[in-house]
Amino acid sequence: DSGVTQTPKHLITATGQRVTLRCSPRSGDLSVYWYQQSLDQGLQFLIQYYNGEERAKGNILERFSAQQFPDLHSELNLSSLELGDSALYFCASSPTINPGLGTFGSGTRLTVV
Amino acid sequence: TQLLEQSPQFLSIQEGENLTVYCNSSSVFSSLQWYRQEPGEGPVLLVTVVTGGEVKKLKRLTFQFGDARKDSSLHITAAQPGDTGLYLCAGGDYGQNFVFGPGTRLSVLP
Repeated sequence: DSGVTQTPKHLITATGQRVTLRCSPRSGDLSVYWYQQSLDQGLQFLIQYYNGEERAKGNILERFSAQQFPDLHSELNLSSLELGDSALYFCASSPTINPGLGTFGSGTRLTVV
Repeated sequence: TQLLEQSPQFLSIQEGENLTVYCNSSSVFSSLQWYRQEPGEGPVLLVTVVTGGEVKKLKRLTFQFGDARKDSSLHITAAQPGDTGLYLCAGGDYGQNFVFGPGTRLSVLP
Protein backbone atom coordinates (compact mmCIF):
# COMPACT_ATOMS: atom_id res chain seq x y z
CA ASP A 1 0.00 0.00 0.00
CA SER A 2 1.60 3.25 -1.20
CA GLY A 3 -0.60 5.44 0.99
CA VAL A 4 -2.16 7.13 -2.05
CA THR A 5 -5.79 6.04 -2.44
CA GLN A 6 -7.64 6.21 -5.72
CA THR A 7 -11.30 5.45 -6.28
CA PRO A 8 -12.94 3.85 -8.09
CA LYS A 9 -10.52 1.16 -9.22
CA HIS A 10 -12.51 0.42 -12.36
CA LEU A 11 -15.05 2.51 -14.25
CA ILE A 12 -17.03 1.67 -17.37
CA THR A 13 -19.09 4.40 -18.97
CA ALA A 14 -20.57 5.41 -22.29
CA THR A 15 -19.35 8.01 -24.76
CA GLY A 16 -20.56 11.52 -23.99
CA GLN A 17 -20.80 10.89 -20.27
CA ARG A 18 -18.99 12.62 -17.39
CA VAL A 19 -17.04 10.90 -14.62
CA THR A 20 -15.15 11.97 -11.51
CA LEU A 21 -12.01 10.22 -10.29
CA ARG A 22 -10.92 10.73 -6.70
CA CYS A 23 -7.49 10.74 -5.08
CA SER A 24 -6.49 10.92 -1.42
CA PRO A 25 -2.79 11.76 -1.06
CA ARG A 26 -0.40 10.32 1.51
CA SER A 27 -0.67 11.92 4.90
CA GLY A 28 1.38 15.11 4.93
CA ASP A 29 1.80 15.40 1.16
CA LEU A 30 0.75 18.76 -0.24
CA SER A 31 1.20 18.07 -3.96
CA VAL A 32 -1.09 15.97 -6.10
CA TYR A 33 -0.34 15.00 -9.69
CA TRP A 34 -2.63 13.39 -12.25
CA TYR A 35 -1.33 11.20 -15.07
CA GLN A 36 -2.93 9.33 -17.95
CA GLN A 37 -1.42 6.06 -19.15
CA SER A 38 -2.51 4.54 -22.44
CA LEU A 39 -0.88 1.90 -24.60
CA ASP A 40 -0.01 4.26 -27.43
CA GLN A 41 0.87 7.40 -25.46
CA GLY A 42 2.63 6.00 -22.42
CA LEU A 43 2.46 7.89 -19.12
CA GLN A 44 1.44 11.51 -19.70
CA PHE A 45 1.42 14.23 -17.06
CA LEU A 46 -1.93 16.01 -16.90
CA ILE A 47 -1.93 18.51 -14.04
CA GLN A 48 -0.42 19.29 -10.63
CA TYR A 49 -1.92 20.94 -7.56
CA TYR A 50 0.04 22.15 -4.57
CA ASN A 51 -1.78 22.99 -1.35
CA GLY A 52 -5.01 23.71 -3.17
CA GLU A 53 -3.58 25.76 -6.03
CA GLU A 54 -2.94 24.66 -9.60
CA ARG A 55 0.82 24.64 -10.12
CA ALA A 56 1.55 23.04 -13.47
CA LYS A 57 -0.37 21.87 -16.49
CA GLY A 58 0.65 19.20 -18.94
CA ASN A 59 -1.24 17.57 -21.78
CA ILE A 60 -4.67 18.00 -20.26
CA LEU A 61 -7.64 18.34 -22.60
CA GLU A 62 -10.14 21.16 -22.15
CA ARG A 63 -12.81 18.52 -21.48
CA PHE A 64 -10.86 17.52 -18.38
CA SER A 65 -10.58 19.53 -15.19
CA ALA A 66 -9.29 18.96 -11.70
CA GLN A 67 -9.29 20.53 -8.29
CA GLN A 68 -7.70 20.03 -4.89
CA PHE A 69 -9.85 20.55 -1.83
CA PRO A 70 -8.92 22.05 1.57
CA ASP A 71 -8.43 18.54 2.99
CA LEU A 72 -5.93 18.03 0.12
CA HIS A 73 -7.84 15.29 -1.65
CA SER A 74 -8.20 15.85 -5.37
CA GLU A 75 -10.73 15.06 -8.05
CA LEU A 76 -10.24 14.72 -11.80
CA ASN A 77 -13.35 15.40 -13.84
CA LEU A 78 -13.59 13.99 -17.35
CA SER A 79 -16.51 15.12 -19.51
CA SER A 80 -17.89 14.47 -23.00
CA LEU A 81 -16.01 11.20 -22.89
CA GLU A 82 -14.68 9.67 -26.08
CA LEU A 83 -13.49 6.15 -26.82
CA GLY A 84 -9.92 7.45 -26.88
CA ASP A 85 -10.17 8.55 -23.26
CA SER A 86 -10.06 4.91 -22.20
CA ALA A 87 -6.89 4.60 -20.17
CA LEU A 88 -5.40 4.17 -16.74
CA TYR A 89 -5.50 7.36 -14.70
CA PHE A 90 -2.95 7.66 -11.92
CA CYS A 91 -2.69 10.06 -9.07
CA ALA A 92 0.61 10.67 -7.30
CA SER A 93 1.41 12.77 -4.27
CA SER A 94 4.57 14.27 -2.83
CA PRO A 95 5.50 16.47 0.12
CA THR A 96 6.98 19.19 -2.10
CA ILE A 97 6.48 20.68 -5.55
CA ASN A 98 8.99 18.20 -7.02
CA PRO A 99 7.13 15.59 -9.13
CA GLY A 100 10.17 13.34 -9.06
CA LEU A 101 9.39 12.56 -5.45
CA GLY A 102 5.85 11.45 -6.22
CA THR A 103 4.32 8.28 -4.81
CA PHE A 104 1.74 6.74 -7.10
CA GLY A 105 -1.63 5.25 -6.33
CA SER A 106 -2.88 2.06 -7.96
CA GLY A 107 -4.85 3.93 -10.58
CA THR A 108 -8.37 4.01 -11.99
CA ARG A 109 -8.98 2.02 -15.15
CA LEU A 110 -11.50 3.91 -17.27
CA THR A 111 -13.21 2.16 -20.13
CA VAL A 112 -15.40 4.22 -22.43
CA VAL A 113 -17.77 2.14 -24.55
CA THR B 1 9.52 19.91 -25.72
CA GLN B 2 11.58 17.49 -23.72
CA LEU B 3 11.48 13.86 -24.79
CA LEU B 4 12.90 10.73 -23.24
CA GLU B 5 13.65 7.65 -25.30
CA GLN B 6 14.17 4.22 -23.82
CA SER B 7 15.79 1.16 -25.30
CA PRO B 8 15.20 -1.61 -25.79
CA GLN B 9 11.42 -1.46 -25.90
CA PHE B 10 11.12 -5.14 -24.97
CA LEU B 11 13.61 -7.51 -23.37
CA SER B 12 13.17 -11.17 -22.56
CA ILE B 13 16.01 -12.95 -20.79
CA GLN B 14 16.71 -16.05 -18.70
CA GLU B 15 17.07 -15.96 -14.95
CA GLY B 16 20.68 -15.27 -13.96
CA GLU B 17 21.57 -13.15 -16.99
CA ASN B 18 22.72 -9.54 -16.80
CA LEU B 19 21.07 -6.70 -18.70
CA THR B 20 21.26 -2.98 -19.29
CA VAL B 21 18.47 -0.65 -20.33
CA TYR B 22 18.96 2.90 -21.51
CA CYS B 23 17.22 6.24 -21.21
CA ASN B 24 18.29 9.00 -23.59
CA SER B 25 17.38 12.57 -24.40
CA SER B 26 18.73 15.57 -26.24
CA SER B 27 17.73 17.73 -23.28
CA VAL B 28 19.49 18.34 -19.99
CA PHE B 29 17.61 17.23 -16.89
CA SER B 30 18.03 18.49 -13.35
CA SER B 31 17.33 14.95 -12.17
CA LEU B 32 16.28 11.59 -13.53
CA GLN B 33 14.15 8.98 -11.85
CA TRP B 34 13.74 5.27 -12.53
CA TYR B 35 10.49 3.49 -11.74
CA ARG B 36 9.26 -0.08 -12.00
CA GLN B 37 5.62 -0.73 -12.76
CA GLU B 38 3.86 -4.07 -12.42
CA PRO B 39 0.52 -4.89 -14.08
CA GLY B 40 -2.43 -3.26 -12.37
CA GLU B 41 -0.25 -1.08 -10.18
CA GLY B 42 1.22 2.40 -10.26
CA PRO B 43 4.91 3.03 -10.91
CA VAL B 44 7.17 2.60 -7.89
CA LEU B 45 10.17 4.88 -7.55
CA LEU B 46 13.48 2.99 -7.54
CA VAL B 47 16.03 5.79 -7.54
CA THR B 48 16.70 9.45 -8.25
CA VAL B 49 19.97 10.59 -9.77
CA VAL B 50 20.92 14.24 -9.64
CA THR B 51 24.63 14.75 -10.29
CA GLY B 52 26.24 14.16 -13.70
CA GLY B 53 28.27 10.94 -13.60
CA GLU B 54 26.51 9.76 -10.45
CA VAL B 55 26.26 6.01 -9.86
CA LYS B 56 23.77 4.53 -7.41
CA LYS B 57 23.36 0.92 -6.41
CA LEU B 58 20.23 -0.76 -5.11
CA LYS B 59 21.07 -4.41 -4.41
CA ARG B 60 21.50 -5.96 -7.88
CA LEU B 61 20.48 -2.77 -9.69
CA THR B 62 23.05 -0.14 -10.72
CA PHE B 63 21.92 3.23 -12.01
CA GLN B 64 24.15 5.75 -13.78
CA PHE B 65 23.47 9.34 -14.76
CA GLY B 66 25.42 10.60 -17.78
CA ASP B 67 28.06 13.26 -17.32
CA ALA B 68 26.01 15.74 -19.35
CA ARG B 69 22.80 14.83 -17.50
CA LYS B 70 21.07 13.88 -20.74
CA ASP B 71 21.02 10.10 -20.36
CA SER B 72 20.93 7.31 -17.84
CA SER B 73 21.31 3.56 -17.68
CA LEU B 74 20.01 0.79 -15.46
CA HIS B 75 22.05 -2.39 -15.15
CA ILE B 76 20.62 -5.49 -13.48
CA THR B 77 22.97 -8.25 -12.40
CA ALA B 78 21.79 -11.85 -12.20
CA ALA B 79 18.20 -11.05 -13.09
CA GLN B 80 15.41 -12.85 -11.27
CA PRO B 81 11.77 -13.46 -12.24
CA GLY B 82 10.79 -10.90 -9.61
CA ASP B 83 12.54 -8.23 -11.70
CA THR B 84 9.89 -8.63 -14.40
CA GLY B 85 8.02 -5.41 -15.09
CA LEU B 86 7.92 -2.14 -17.00
CA TYR B 87 10.92 0.06 -16.27
CA LEU B 88 10.27 3.75 -16.76
CA CYS B 89 12.66 6.65 -16.64
CA ALA B 90 11.41 10.16 -15.97
CA GLY B 91 13.05 13.53 -15.79
CA GLY B 92 12.46 17.11 -14.87
CA ASP B 93 14.12 20.31 -15.94
CA TYR B 94 14.61 23.33 -13.76
CA GLY B 95 11.08 24.50 -14.53
CA GLN B 96 7.77 22.72 -14.39
CA ASN B 97 8.32 20.07 -17.05
CA PHE B 98 8.35 16.45 -15.97
CA VAL B 99 8.22 13.71 -18.59
CA PHE B 100 8.26 9.93 -18.67
CA GLY B 101 9.93 7.72 -21.22
CA PRO B 102 7.88 5.03 -22.99
CA GLY B 103 9.44 2.29 -20.87
CA THR B 104 11.30 -0.99 -21.29
CA ARG B 105 9.19 -4.07 -20.72
CA LEU B 106 11.40 -6.72 -19.09
CA SER B 107 10.51 -10.36 -18.81
CA VAL B 108 12.79 -12.66 -16.82
CA LEU B 109 12.07 -16.32 -17.46
CA PRO B 110 12.77 -18.94 -14.77
